Amino acid sequence: DTEVTQTPKHLVMGMTNKKSLKCEQHMGHRAMYWYKQKAKKPPELMFVYSYEKLSINESVPSRFSPECPNSSLLNLHLHALQPEDSALYLCASSLKYSGSEQFFGPGTRLTVL
Amino acid sequence: QQQVKQSPQSLIVQKGGISIINCAYENTAFDYFPWYQQFPGKGPALLIAIRPDVSEKKEGRFTISFNKSAKQFSLHIMDSQPGDSATYFCAASIGGGSTLGRLYFGRGTQLTVWP
Repeated sequence: DTEVTQTPKHLVMGMTNKKSLKCEQHMGHRAMYWYKQKAKKPPELMFVYSYEKLSINESVPSRFSPECPNSSLLNLHLHALQPEDSALYLCASSLKYSGSEQFFGPGTRLTVL
Repeated sequence: QQQVKQSPQSLIVQKGGISIINCAYENTAFDYFPWYQQFPGKGPALLIAIRPDVSEKKEGRFTISFNKSAKQFSLHIMDSQPGDSATYFCAASIGGGSTLGRLYFGRGTQLTVWP
């Protein structure tokens, strides 16, 4: 298995909802990332997990809560989001957190009403 | 402060032509330079990457040229095809230290190849 999968593909939620995004990889990668991408912009790093431990939090608001239950799985829990949080949320993984190639999933298109 | 500067912002090329996208950086600690291709509604796909110990890397129709002294690198797409129409991002990262592994992206180039 040589890909990163993300579910759901699309998500529409209200500002009071709680939802979760899921990311999975079975390549034996030990670093996993969450990015946010707005239209016509490059991906912006949100969080990095290395060996299931949170290594980087790019000052992301607490309404975004990451979780790494095991080395293959990465979740992003969403609560009380704002309309400006609407974006493509991308998960990526790399063999290790040391400049290795990062492989991206297809993303979850999130719309906050 | 943008760590990697990319140009042009958009590029229109005729089918069969050569597409050239340029990137420049300042931080000499960067030691890994990937290019990503992204189609609308999809995640970025790693296209080709280079490390600073080589000046050129070719994979099929895609070539990276790297000029360490000028701190510039570029992507050349030979025999451009309509299926190459996408957004291309250059990036750079450092293999060690506190910023290890972090990808610094350019702003992207929207490539359109006319049939």
